[in-house]
This record gives sequence, C-alpha cells and structure tokens, in this order.
Amino acid sequence: GAGVSQSPRYKVAKRGQDVALRCDPISGHVSLFWYQQALGQGPEFLTYFQNEAQLDKSGLPSDRFFAERPEGSVSTLKIQRTQQEDSAVYLCASSLREGRTDTQYFGPGTRLTVL
Amino acid sequence: QRVTQPEKLLSVFKGAPVELKCNYSYSGSPELFWYVQYSRQRLQLLLRHISRESIKGFTADLNKGETSFHLKKPFAQEEDSAMYYCALRAGANSKLTFGKGITLSVRP
Repeated sequence: GAGVSQSPRYKVAKRGQDVALRCDPISGHVSLFWYQQALGQGPEFLTYFQNEAQLDKSGLPSDRFFAERPEGSVSTLKIQRTQQEDSAVYLCASSLREGRTDTQYFGPGTRLTVL
Repeated sequence: QRVTQPEKLLSVFKGAPVELKCNYSYSGSPELFWYVQYSRQRLQLLLRHISRESIKGFTADLNKGETSFHLKKPFAQEEDSAMYYCALRAGANSKLTFGKGITLSVRP
C-alpha cells in the first residue's frame, strides 16, 4: 500500500517568506509526527497529533512554526517569516495507534532551503 | 533524555564484523530502536529491542547497566552501506529522540 507522502519534496524560500509543508499519512493512522533534520544531525521532534488533537508541540522552535491536522488525516506544517536557520529536511511520520509499541513510518521528507 | 552515537563513520571490508555504538540517558525504562536510511530512500525501522529479533543479520541487545544498545552484525555485506540512527522512546510519550547517526560503509 501507499506509504507516507510529503509535498513539496523541495522548497526554496527567500528569507521572510511563509511556507506550508504537507503530509499525507498512511490511511487510518491515528498518530502523526513532525521532525526537523538539520544537515549532519538526527531528526528532532517538533510536534505530535493524535487524530486532530495536537497533544505535544514542545519541539516547535518558535511561534513562527505552526502545525495543524484539522480532519485527523492530512497535516500541514507552516513556517512564517522563514529564517536561514530554518533550512532543514522536515520529516513526517505516522503510526497506526498511539502507544509505546507502535511503529512510526516516515515520509521522504521536504527539503527546505531558505536563502 | 539523550541518545549518543559517538562515531560518525565506520568503514569496513565485506565480511568483517560490524558494531555500531549507541548509548542513552534516561531515568526510566526506555524503548530503543535502530532506524536505517539507504541511499535515496526514506528512514525505516530496522529493529527494536522489545522484539529481540534479528533483521538482515543485525542484532542489538539492550544493556541497562551500561545504558547501551549497540547494533551488531558478524559479517557485513555491501548492501548494508547506509546511515544508521539509534532512537529512544521514553515512557508514554510517543515521540522519538534520535542520535546524530553513523554512516556505515562496506567496501568490496
């Protein structure tokens, strides 16, 4: 079946522009996660949804970052007034249920470059 | 919680043993994972400690005394060349905390 998909795969933005990154999780997956991966680093947690509820946003680096999942399926990560330090790969992952034993399946990521 | 992968690169010849190191810090009972990313592919789960299974010849044992979860394979293959990440999931919180990753290069 289809895995997690993300769009766009690549995004170039000028500093100060707003961007929106989309994640389509695996159908029926309850949990959805966003991670940020800077060059040479491991993924770092941004935020977590269970259905449409945003249960953890402790990893969002500033109030310029905003995520939503209004109908409990597709999610959008929005970054306002982009800065150069926002350049990274943004990964989305979904899992079937909430819980310690469930596997997170990752999308291919969106590579954001802020000039 | 924190995950430390002390090496950035490990280069071995085909058929040599491999050990990718992972240490963690967490006061409770964590769940530990190894994820792998092959060239031009997405991040995917390789194995998890609670399954106690061998995947593609790789094994990893959780050592709570040493707070380690090293990944091992007795005979490396060229197709094992990839980026490997150790990750921790703590308590009821479902987020993963990743190490910085290590590149494994297996030469013919």
